[in-house]
This record gives sequence, structure tokens and C-alpha cells, in this order.
Amino acid sequence: DAKTTQPNSMESNEEEPVHLPCNHSTISGTDYIHWYRQLPSQGPEYVIHGLTSNVNNRMASLAIAEDRKSSTLILHRATLRDAAVYYCMAYNQGGKLIFGQGTELSVKP
Amino acid sequence: DGGITQSPKYLFRKEGQNVTLSCEQNLNHDAMYWYRQDPGQGLRLIYYSQIVNDFQKGDIAEGYSVSREKKESFPLTVTSAQKNPTAFYLCASSSGTGPYSGNTIYFGEGSWLTVV
Repeated sequence: DAKTTQPNSMESNEEEPVHLPCNHSTISGTDYIHWYRQLPSQGPEYVIHGLTSNVNNRMASLAIAEDRKSSTLILHRATLRDAAVYYCMAYNQGGKLIFGQGTELSVKP
Repeated sequence: DGGITQSPKYLFRKEGQNVTLSCEQNLNHDAMYWYRQDPGQGLRLIYYSQIVNDFQKGDIAEGYSVSREKKESFPLTVTSAQKNPTAFYLCASSSGTGPYSGNTIYFGEGSWLTVV
């Protein structure tokens, strides 16, 4: 399984950028890197995903290291609504989608 | 609207009873998953299915059972053998798995199961 490691928690100030790191040193060459976020008592929602190149969408940017052993989710301007648990994950070739413990992001006004 | 529907939202079970959580999707997705989440913890994979009539155990399958008779449905039964079933259960689906899969995962809203 492609396991991921994330910090347990991070803090940010509103309107400032946030960089959420993820280590996935055992990732295979064909695994995609996905990020999801979860609010309390809700199902996780998709944020962004990528394979090798950096990716941007309306929610965030994903920066993938050249060796693919780590990635960083970038929220360009944090808002109070971005406070959530962020999960990084890598698809396993056998089809098992394994989530790590995630990073709890708190945003201060 | 397209999506994943889990029911019921809240369920109470007496000790020794089996209960079934429903998960239905109208996204025409091949793969479906069940996760368990304990308070303050991450998601743990119970079972997953890549295609109709086929499913595999995840990391914590003991005390649970599933079926995949229809593409759109993947019910989870919590049996009496599951000694500590109180948790938040999440169903998810995606359009494919495998080595080159980059497909997005969609989650339901979850079901709270409490043993009384």
C-alpha cells in the first residue's frame, strides 16, 4: 500500500496562503496523488489530484516533488470555510484507497 | 441530482443485532467503498468493490459483510460479531481503479451507528 504521512495539525491566518505537506515515499509510478477535505460529520469532498505535474484548480494548487515522494497542497488565501481535515492519499494498484490520519487545519480570523 | 445516497443518517442497534446500511449511487461508477471513522480519527477501509458481483476486504473487514448485486448499490451489514460498531460510516464511489486511475472519489453524507 502507498502510505502517506501528514502533520496532525496546522494553523493559518485568514487571507494568508497555506501549505499543507504530505509524504508518500512508497508511492508507485502509476499512483495518482489525491487531496480531499472533510468537515465534521460530513463526507470528504474532492479538492485536487495529480500525477507528475503541478496542478491548479479553483480551490487550490498541488505541487508535486520531482521524485514524487512528497507533495504540497496550497490554499492561496485561506478563509474560515477552509478550516477542515485535509487528507492526502495515493491510489494503490490493487484498488484499495487508503487514507492517512489527515491534517486538521484551523484558520484564525 | 447525481450523487451517492446513504441511509439511514442515524441508526441505533441493540447488542447482538445485525444492521444494514444502504449506499446507492447514480453516477454509473464501477468502484464502491465502505469506510469507518471513529471520533477524531481518520478513515479506515472496510470493504471495496471494483465491479458487480465482486468485492475485497479492506483493513478492518472482520464483523462486516457486503454484497454487490447491482452496480448502483453496495449495502454494508454490521453483524453481531463486530464488537465495537459505534462509529460514523462513509460510502464512496469512483469511476475506476487500477494502476492508471486518476478518477475522483465521491462520498456520501455518512451514517451514524450507535449501539444501545
